[in-house]
Amino acid sequence: GDSVTQMEGPVTLSEEAFLTINCTYTATGYPSLFWYVQYPGEGLQLLLKATKADDKGSNKGFEATYRKETTSFHLEKGSVQVSDSAVYFCALSGGDLFSGGYNKLIFGAGTRLAVHP
Amino acid sequence: DAGVIQSPRHEVTEMGQEVTLRCKPISGHNSLFWYRQTMMRGLELLIYFNNNVPIDDSGMPEDRFSAKMPNASFSTLKIQPSEPRDSAVYFCASSSSLRDRVYGNTIYFGEGSWLTVV
Repeated sequence: GDSVTQMEGPVTLSEEAFLTINCTYTATGYPSLFWYVQYPGEGLQLLLKATKADDKGSNKGFEATYRKETTSFHLEKGSVQVSDSAVYFCALSGGDLFSGGYNKLIFGAGTRLAVHP
Repeated sequence: DAGVIQSPRHEVTEMGQEVTLRCKPISGHNSLFWYRQTMMRGLELLIYFNNNVPIDDSGMPEDRFSAKMPNASFSTLKIQPSEPRDSAVYFCASSSSLRDRVYGNTIYFGEGSWLTVV
């Protein structure tokens, strides 16, 4: 079945460092890919998404490119801030448009990011 | 526009008691999802509805769990009887299914119901 694999955390960085969180997926068909962020004590918020190969999603300085050839959707940010400390979830949906399986999200395990001043 | 609204935000209950979690999806959304989050198992999809009909409940852990969606603007997740291992954060989420099958799915989450069973 469809699945998402993320790099294990925690990831600890100093402010203004470069961030990469790796995400790879397994899916039949053509899934949409997402990054969600969860700040402490809160629900999940959509950070960015990409719906087809070579699309780049971006938001708040974060970027991720949908790479079908490597089945990856790595999250990057050029200069992290303390306020970026959170748990980041990679997810996919709709891998098989013909299965009748609606648009449920399949999540990775999450990667905790801690940014220090 | 209001987001997904869940209640209660926090609940502490004794083992054996019935727990009812409530959810109001975003107006106009026709898909609704219940997820559970724990440290050990991460985010698990329990059940999802489309147009008020349960589509897949294979993630519901056991018969003690039940979910209903009597209309497009309300859903409940019930645990009876509750056990300490049910302690978790329960998220409700919603989306619009038809358009998102073409343009990509955006599921919006509520802030969660933090359940502790002692």
